[in-house]
Amino acid sequence: EAGVTQSPTHLIKTRGQQVTLRCSPISGHTSVYWYQQALGLGLQFLLWYDEGEERNRGNFPPRFSGRQFPNYSSELNVNALELEDSALYLCASSWGAGNQPQHFGDGTRLSIL
Amino acid sequence: KNEVEQSPQNLTAQEGEFITINCSYSVGISALHWLQQHPGGGIVSLFMLSSGKKKHGRLIATINIQEKHSSLHITASHPRDSAVYICAVRSPGGADGLTFGKGTHLIIQP
Repeated sequence: EAGVTQSPTHLIKTRGQQVTLRCSPISGHTSVYWYQQALGLGLQFLLWYDEGEERNRGNFPPRFSGRQFPNYSSELNVNALELEDSALYLCASSWGAGNQPQHFGDGTRLSIL
Repeated sequence: KNEVEQSPQNLTAQEGEFITINCSYSVGISALHWLQQHPGGGIVSLFMLSSGKKKHGRLIATINIQEKHSSLHITASHPRDSAVYICAVRSPGGADGLTFGKGTHLIIQP
């Protein structure tokens, strides 16, 4: 069974640019979560999608957005990039919207110059 | 907002030692997760529990809901157990993502 896959693995952008990160969940999983791990800040919840709908979002500005497609894959978009957006962005998927184990991808490392 | 505290922040031990990592949280939860993160970033989900105790190989996780506390134990530790161990909780109703502790950086020396 293929795990959660994220692309790209690494990305370098400059301030003010826009970026799109992609996540493919494990087959059969309908929930996708996005997390940010910035240096020194630990992991923080960004967004949660289930069955194509945004279910909840963490304490992040609106320039962080995303969507979930009918095949349950997901995109995270970040507009007007700032230096502090440099982080590891992790995607996780789970079976359904209830309390289920979350399976993590290897992340996308985003560096802002 | 739930506050998740882990201790210790850093732990260095010798191969074979029994390891305990602690996690406490401030508000009631629906589930608690223990995660393992290796250098490079990949995260593996070790346990999800809402009560009692779970065991998988040399790893044991316990939770005391009344005391809002969980422990992760590693028996017969091995250098390959070296990693960051992260405790994460989900609010009652599970209507949001996980709230994470800052992690425990474990090094097992041969």
